[in-house]
Parts: sequence; C-alpha cells; structure tokens
Amino acid sequence: RKEVEQDPGPFNVPEGATVAFNCTYSNSASQSFFWYRQDCRKEPKLLMSVYSSGNEDGRFTAQLNRASQYISLLIRDSKLSDSATYLCVVSPPSGYNKLIFGAGTRLAVHP
Amino acid sequence: DAGITQSPRYKITETGRQVTLMCHQTWSHSYMFWYRQDLGHGLRLIYYSAAADITDKGEVPDGYVVSRSKTENFPLTLESATRSQTSVYFCASSDKRGKYNEQFFGPGTRLTVL
Repeated sequence: RKEVEQDPGPFNVPEGATVAFNCTYSNSASQSFFWYRQDCRKEPKLLMSVYSSGNEDGRFTAQLNRASQYISLLIRDSKLSDSATYLCVVSPPSGYNKLIFGAGTRLAVHP
Repeated sequence: DAGITQSPRYKITETGRQVTLMCHQTWSHSYMFWYRQDLGHGLRLIYYSAAADITDKGEVPDGYVVSRSKTENFPLTLESATRSQTSVYFCASSDKRGKYNEQFFGPGTRLTVL
C-alpha cells in the first residue's frame, strides 16, 4: 500500500465549478500535511498547509481528518489557471524535514 | 536571488556512462533532497542531507551516489546509468528553522538514458 494515495483523475471541470480532491495516508503518526501544486513539466510548489481545524486561502479550503487519515482540498469558482496537478504531501514522524508525496491529482479547467 | 538551481536542465546519455547532476542553493538551507519523478509514481526520494557531510538514503537510492562537502551544493551521481534511470530529477531544500517543513524545488533535470 502506498503511504499517500490520491485519485489520479483527470478531473475535467468548467470554469466557475467547485471541485474537491481527497487523499489518504497510511501512517497515523504523520505530523504535517500539505497540498503542493505542480504545473506541467515544472517544479512542485507549496499551495497550502493543512491544519486539523481546517484552513482557507481565498478560493481554496483544506481539511484534515486525523481519525480517518484523509486530507481534502476544495477549490471554489475554478479558473483556467487552476489547471495543474495537485500533490497531497505528508511529513512522516522520522523528522529531517522529509516529505512523502502522493502521485497527484490532475485538474483540467475548461472554458 | 537565484534560489535553487539545477544543471544541466536536459541530459541525454548512454547506458553505462557516469552522469552527475548538480544542485545549488543560495539560501544556506540545512536540508537538501533529491527526488525522481516518473509517471504513476509521483516524487520518490533518492537521497537527502541534513547538513554538510551528512547524507542518508531515501526510498530509491540504488545506483546513485551523493556528496555534500558544502552547504550550498548537493550533486547526484549516477555511477553507471541504466535505462530505468530515465526520469525527471528534482532537487529541493528546506530550512530546519522554516515553517512546517516547506521544501523549495529546483526546476528539474530531464535525463534520458539510451
């Protein structure tokens, strides 16, 4: 079983739509949680951290459910520029600032 | 502010040749990482380093060697390249004082082994 699992998609949505991604992680001792964004053939970049209480950044809302070991990302009012691959990322308890990346969920927003 | 750079950006080599991928960061970050990214696997950690002269294996270290004699540089060497090492390689760094383990990535090196 992979340590971080995501639906690869693609999710094809029209502009203005709301779309949600989920991911699950296997290690209940994982410490920190993130969503990274990766544009085609580019490097990953941090989109947002995920807190137990849930957090929002503009059109993006992230939630963490430790009991069920899943993380979600909600994107409201999708823009064409949101088209990318979204990587679910978990920090294991071993330290050294290591991160474990999911394989990503691809989003395509069309006019 | 150059940030984190990788060279070369593209490399084509032949099976059995030695190849070194360079990574340089200007932030004096303590931690540096090498990943490879392949379709269906996402980013997989090859090696990481907590400081100069401290390195350790990640998930897929076989066939790779690293060194870190200076904080800012973290070269990755493929001692005898194989076709299965055709991939996109990303270098990343993070600061142990930084927020929530955020890693900053270089632009990647696309390596093809013929």
